[in-house]
Amino acid sequence: SAVISQKPSRDICQRGTSLTIQCQVDSQVTMMFWYRQQPGQSLTLIATANQGSEATYESGFVIDKFPISRPNLTFSTLTVSNMSPEDSSIYLCSVDRGGAFNEQFFGPGTRLTVL
Amino acid sequence: GDSVTQMEGPVTLSEEAFLTINCTYTATGYPSLFWYVQYPGEGLQLLLKATKADDKGSNKGFEATYRKETTSFHLEKGSVQVSDSAVYFCALSLQGAQKLVFGQGTRLTINP
Repeated sequence: SAVISQKPSRDICQRGTSLTIQCQVDSQVTMMFWYRQQPGQSLTLIATANQGSEATYESGFVIDKFPISRPNLTFSTLTVSNMSPEDSSIYLCSVDRGGAFNEQFFGPGTRLTVL
Repeated sequence: GDSVTQMEGPVTLSEEAFLTINCTYTATGYPSLFWYVQYPGEGLQLLLKATKADDKGSNKGFEATYRKETTSFHLEKGSVQVSDSAVYFCALSLQGAQKLVFGQGTRLTINP
């Protein structure tokens, strides 16, 4: 398994501002992922972050709204830009430790409330 | 596209009852299948997995068998406990795709 931490664990933000969420892993990993879990909903993949290259975004998510950095093999950030109340969600990062079966391990999540 | 469908929740059971949470999938390839659990206030934890047909994943008394003929991966436990109260997510991934597709989640509450 992997030990994954996220900061902040929760935040309450004003409309129009931006928040950067950090994800730290205890070992080097190739693939890191960012998910959104809207209230009472399932998880939706936002983007896949590889070190040294641009993140790959899923349909419905764009870089201007959710810029991602991946400066090294143990760290990534997700920024939620120009927030609106619809961005209120739990944001989770996960890692794939490699191997054939795409098993992922998740961080504890960041609970974001936008007023 | 690839998708996962879980039984509607919430599910409420008494302690020591038998649990089944249904999960079926649609996939263009040959997926790996997972059950994740999210306890109140916590992140997702991998509960069990199966990577090929007829594989049985098991952990903490939970079991699920990969049924290719019925494209299903139902979660079962013979005797649930109050501590099993959580949201359970079925998920799949395809080799080479490197991403998980989740079902909608099933909230389980166990009463003493």
